[in-house]
Amino acid sequence: ELKVEQNPLFLSMQEGKNYTIYCNYSTTSDRLYWYRQDPGKSLESLFVLLSNGAVKQEGRLMASLDTKARLSTLHITAAVHDLSATYFCAVDIKGGSEKLVFGKGTKLTVNP
Amino acid sequence: GAGVSQSPSNKVTEKGKDVELRCDPISGHTALYWYRQSLGQGLEFLIYFQGNSAPDKSGLPSDRFSAERTGGSVSTLTIQRTQQEDSAVYLCASSASVKNIQYFGAGTRLSVL
Repeated sequence: ELKVEQNPLFLSMQEGKNYTIYCNYSTTSDRLYWYRQDPGKSLESLFVLLSNGAVKQEGRLMASLDTKARLSTLHITAAVHDLSATYFCAVDIKGGSEKLVFGKGTKLTVNP
Repeated sequence: GAGVSQSPSNKVTEKGKDVELRCDPISGHTALYWYRQSLGQGLEFLIYFQGNSAPDKSGLPSDRFSAERTGGSVSTLTIQRTQQEDSAVYLCASSASVKNIQYFGAGTRLSVL
């Protein structure tokens, strides 16, 4: 059974600071996704990581993937209040069903 | 449409009643997924439709839950004899094809009293 663990689950940080969210998964996967969810809103796709060593950046967010360690990171640089949201990583099973298995999410609060 | 549309956005029902939740995927998307998001369990896969293939129902929690997809487009998730533990946000997603990015709707918040 594929399991996905995120940490931390809650993160409160000051504007301007850097931090990293971690996503570990238990079995080989085809790809890893990062999603953002604002309160009461839909999940918004941020990144899709397809191969070992993949790195993608968008604004103050950078995601990376290490398939050997079964680890993805979401790095936040110089946080701003607008980044406050819940961030989910999700993984699909290599060669298996198309369903995504989600981590429990990291609720990020960026304080002025 | 511009995105995945779900209705109703909120549904309050009494224990034991049946409910139907609707999902209208992005036009042209062949794959459609239902997930459930609850405080205790996070986001859980329920069921997946791809074209004319048999759906993957492996995530449905009990036989009270069923879903269909008509004409390869709109999908309805039906929960019979609702229980309080069914209270959650039910999310629908669609993708252009297998292994592609899943785009999510805003969800239906179900409250079973």
